[in-house]
Amino acid sequence: DVQMTQSPSTLSASIGDRVTITCRASQSISSWLAWYQQKPGKAPKLLIYESSTLESGVPSRFSGSGSETEFTLTISNLQPDDFASYYCQQYSTYSWTFGRGTKVEIK
Amino acid sequence: EVRLVESGGGLVQPGGSLRVSCAASGFNVSTSYMSWVRQTPEKGLEWVSIIYRGGNAYYADSVKGRFTISRDNSRNTLYLQMKRLRVQDTAVYYCARNYGGNSRGVFDYWGQGILVTVSS
Repeated sequence: DVQMTQSPSTLSASIGDRVTITCRASQSISSWLAWYQQKPGKAPKLLIYESSTLESGVPSRFSGSGSETEFTLTISNLQPDDFASYYCQQYSTYSWTFGRGTKVEIK
Repeated sequence: EVRLVESGGGLVQPGGSLRVSCAASGFNVSTSYMSWVRQTPEKGLEWVSIIYRGGNAYYADSVKGRFTISRDNSRNTLYLQMKRLRVQDTAVYYCARNYGGNSRGVFDYWGQGILVTVSS
């Protein structure tokens, strides 16, 4: 299976900050990468797919980039609703795999 | 509005069986790719199984031969039959709809999740 490594595991930030989360794949996955947001007790929510395509309805302060093995999720102008956990997921090959997540906390 | 509602979770003994269901509304499961994904604090999110529009099914190695994904088009419902359950199958199970085409590995709608606990 393709291993997905996210960093950092926890990130402390303030309202208005720009934050970046990194995801590395153990082998090339082209651009077959998605990002999800999850709040406690809730299901994950799709934010971005194909590395940089914003899902409909997702605010434009979220952006994604990268290809092959290195990917980033950037949240510009962090809002109160953005404090949550974020997961990357590769869908290049079965079994599709997720990163262990990054928790964005209030500083 | 797309909605997915899981049911059928609960406590089961190791070696036992359980079937969880996912009632869909706002779209047809018969013309969609549908998956089950589970989550534990220890292992995080883990894709379990997918059923294609044409009926082909694929499974994670950890559940292959023990779990079966299926759907009832008349009820617009997705199922996951779980047999020979192990303690490590304890998780919140989510059903999810997949995008089609090259992005069929993307989960665009998720249910609220249902807890399955395997314990004696």
